Amino acid sequence: NAGVTQTPKFRVLKTGQSMTLLCAQDMNHEYMYWYRQDPGMGLRLIHYSVGEGTTAKGEVPDGYNVSRLKKQNFLLGLESAAPSQTSVYFCASSLGGGGETQYFGPGTRLLVL
Amino acid sequence: AQKITQTQPGMFVQEKEAVTLDCTYDTSDQSYGLFWYKQPSSGEMIFLIYQGSYDEQNATEGRYSLNFQKARKSANLVISASQLGDSAMYFCAMREGVNDGEYGNKLVFGAGTILRVKS
Repeated sequence: NAGVTQTPKFRVLKTGQSMTLLCAQDMNHEYMYWYRQDPGMGLRLIHYSVGEGTTAKGEVPDGYNVSRLKKQNFLLGLESAAPSQTSVYFCASSLGGGGETQYFGPGTRLLVL
Repeated sequence: AQKITQTQPGMFVQEKEAVTLDCTYDTSDQSYGLFWYKQPSSGEMIFLIYQGSYDEQNATEGRYSLNFQKARKSANLVISASQLGDSAMYFCAMREGVNDGEYGNKLVFGAGTILRVKS
């Protein structure tokens, strides 16, 4: 049982390049989330999904897209990376939405030059 | 307006002593949940403790307890008998609402408190 895993662990992009971050969970959780963590600001929700095939915007969705084609995977895409998207990205999942604990992946460190 | 406020950017505590990390929150919902997460220097987010707004007793998990004062809208984390391994960043977070369809169990995080345990 690996829990929540994220790929890649670290990536450097040039401005304008695109990339996809992959999140996978093996806990059969319905809900999945993408957060970003910037210094001094805690974590902020980018997008989330309440089930396979569904996605919704969080607090800071601009510049990102997501897809949840399979229940166990939640993809975060950057179509045209900007230096402001330099951050640490965390994926999380929870069994449902009734206050269940969110379990986090190890994070992806992204640097956009 | 900030929904979660952690007023202590950094704290020091002597090993084996207790420490309280402050968290105040702002919500108009009657049903909400409060969480504490630990982030060590390795970067992962570790769930510590949860308190529901309707829970009458303060939550406890081993050396962690949550001092929940609903009227003051505070949810302070108390760590007893501090250990060197407790040195980390600690985040308070809140989930609002009961309607999953509307809120999706989303968490709002505070800015965090860095705790350093001295030997």
